Amino acid sequence: EDQVTQSPEALRLQEGESSSLNCSYTVSGLRGLFWYRQDPGKGPEFLFTLYSAGEEKEKERLKATLTKKESFLHITAPKPEDSATYLCAVQAMRAGNQFYFGTGTSLTVIP
Amino acid sequence: DTGVSQDPRHKITKRGQNVTFRCDPISEHNRLYWYRQTLGQGPEFLTYFQNEAQLEKSRLLSDRFSAERPKGSFSTLEIQRTEQGDSAMYLCASSLRDTEAFFGQGTRLTVV
Repeated sequence: EDQVTQSPEALRLQEGESSSLNCSYTVSGLRGLFWYRQDPGKGPEFLFTLYSAGEEKEKERLKATLTKKESFLHITAPKPEDSATYLCAVQAMRAGNQFYFGTGTSLTVIP
Repeated sequence: DTGVSQDPRHKITKRGQNVTFRCDPISEHNRLYWYRQTLGQGPEFLTYFQNEAQLEKSRLLSDRFSAERPKGSFSTLEIQRTEQGDSAMYLCASSLRDTEAFFGQGTRLTVV
């Protein structure tokens, strides 16, 4: 069964303190791995898509990487406005196109 | 605004009542998804349309839930005889073929 596990569940960082969020996945043939940001009471906001091991994507202070079993979201010198829940999702190659989501990492950046 | 639009944003209903939510996807997107999210959890898949065809339904989608996408444009999700356990955020997303999905702001349902 396709499965996504995110760690840690919650992370508190001082402003400027870099760190990484982990997304471990089990899927029978990965079509894509997706990172989203979600603010309280709002829908997930798309950040990155990764398709194959070794791929990297960057946007401002965020960088996403992918291996055959996990993905990391690296946050460099975070700011308070980066505080949010970060969700990871996978989509399998087989017929059926649903996205399987993890439970997310709640990030708090303290000024 | 060319994003995914959901209506209403909030709905409070009494147990046993029927509710209907609407989703307008990004105009050129042929795929539309419904997800449900409860506090502290990731979104859970409910159902998926490609154009007007409903291609996949989760086991979570009981007989009280029905979704439509007439003419492959907007979609509606109806919950009949609501229960307190139906209280959640209902999220709609759309995508273009095998690409990332873009989500709307969700409809927060509270069943009292």
